[in-house]
Amino acid sequence: ELKVEQNPLFLSMQEGKNYTIYCNYSTTSDRLYWYRQDPGKSLESLFVLLSNGAVKQEGRLMASLDTKARLSTLHITAAVHDLSATYFCAVQETSGSRLTFGEGTQLTVNP
Amino acid sequence: EAQVTQNPRYLITVTGKKLTVTCSQNMNHEYMSWYRQDPGLGLRQIYYSMNVEVTDKGDVPEGYKVSRKEKRNFPLILESPSPNQTSLYFCASSQWTGGGEKLFFGSGTQLSVL
Repeated sequence: ELKVEQNPLFLSMQEGKNYTIYCNYSTTSDRLYWYRQDPGKSLESLFVLLSNGAVKQEGRLMASLDTKARLSTLHITAAVHDLSATYFCAVQETSGSRLTFGEGTQLTVNP
Repeated sequence: EAQVTQNPRYLITVTGKKLTVTCSQNMNHEYMSWYRQDPGLGLRQIYYSMNVEVTDKGDVPEGYKVSRKEKRNFPLILESPSPNQTSLYFCASSQWTGGGEKLFFGSGTQLSVL
């Protein structure tokens, strides 16, 4: 059974600071996704990472994938209040279409 | 506008009363799936469908049924709802491309089973 663990689960940070969210998973996969969810809203796709060493960046967010370590990171640079949301990573098994999500990281950026 | 439409948005029902949550997408996607979201558990996949008449179980299929008779629709059926199925449900669709399989989510259905 594929397990996906995120940490931290809760993150409170000040505007302007940097931080990293970690996503560990338990089985071989080279397909990892990051999603954002605002309170009371649906999920929005942020990044799709498909190979070892993949790095994607969008604004203040950068995601990377290390398939050998079974680890993805979501790095936040110079946080702003608008980034406050819950961030989920999701891992897709190489052999099929089952998708397993992490528990989510609730990020709060304070002025 | 490309979208995934779920209905209803909110639903309150009683134990044992059959219900259907509808999901429709207008992007001609082959892949559709259902998730439930519970606090502290993230999203868990209930069922997914690779194409018309092709469905498979996700991580938590017990108590749910699905059908995929048309490409655009993927309803979720609760034959005999129970209180432990109170949750927020999301439908999603996607199409695999060389750039990956980005999911498009519906707005969600908040279900309460009394």
